[in-house]
Amino acid sequence: AQSVTQPDIHITVSEGASLELRCNYSYGATPYLFWYVQSPGQGLQLLLKYFSGDTLVQGIKGFEAEFKRSQSSFNLRKPSVHWSDAAEYFCAVGPSGGYQKVTFGIGTKLQVIP
Amino acid sequence: DAGITQSPRHKVTETGTPVTLRCHQTENHRYMYWYRQDPGHGLRLIHYSYGVKDTDKGEVSDGYSVSRSKTEDFLLTLESATSSQTSVYFCAISEGQGKANYGYTFGSGTRLTVV
Repeated sequence: AQSVTQPDIHITVSEGASLELRCNYSYGATPYLFWYVQSPGQGLQLLLKYFSGDTLVQGIKGFEAEFKRSQSSFNLRKPSVHWSDAAEYFCAVGPSGGYQKVTFGIGTKLQVIP
Repeated sequence: DAGITQSPRHKVTETGTPVTLRCHQTENHRYMYWYRQDPGHGLRLIHYSYGVKDTDKGEVSDGYSVSRSKTEDFLLTLESATSSQTSVYFCAISEGQGKANYGYTFGSGTRLTVV
């Protein structure tokens, strides 16, 4: 069965510092991979997605993620964090042909300090 | 972006009562989903639909039923609410071709408290 691990439940970074949120997945073939962001009291918003091709994908709000098959990872990065990036971030994995089986990680809550 | 509206936004109900949550979309998307979000569990799929009257179970479907009589509406019913069903419920549609899921668009959620 597919699964997603987000090893960091909480992360605190200073505004302007770089950010990397970790995501490891378990899946037998090439997966579809996603990162979502959730602001307090809001629904989730898709940040970026990987299906195939270039392993470095760009998303909204200045985020990027790199798919590393050898490490089963899809880490999210941002070179300079803004206070508005404080939110909860979810990694998700789904099979390439399965519309119903997207599995989410438990989330990483990001705190940004001035 | 697809317009997704969930109602109600908040609800408090008593144990043992039935509760229905509504999800309405305006973009004619075929695939719709219900998830619940709980601390420490992320989002877990309850039920999903791949067309009018076509639904299937997710990983945490016990105690829940769904119906989809129109493309735009996907209803989630808690048949007899229990305290363990206190949660935030999200409806989502998927952008994709055929069976591929290119990413979800979520509604704003319904916060349900069962007392």
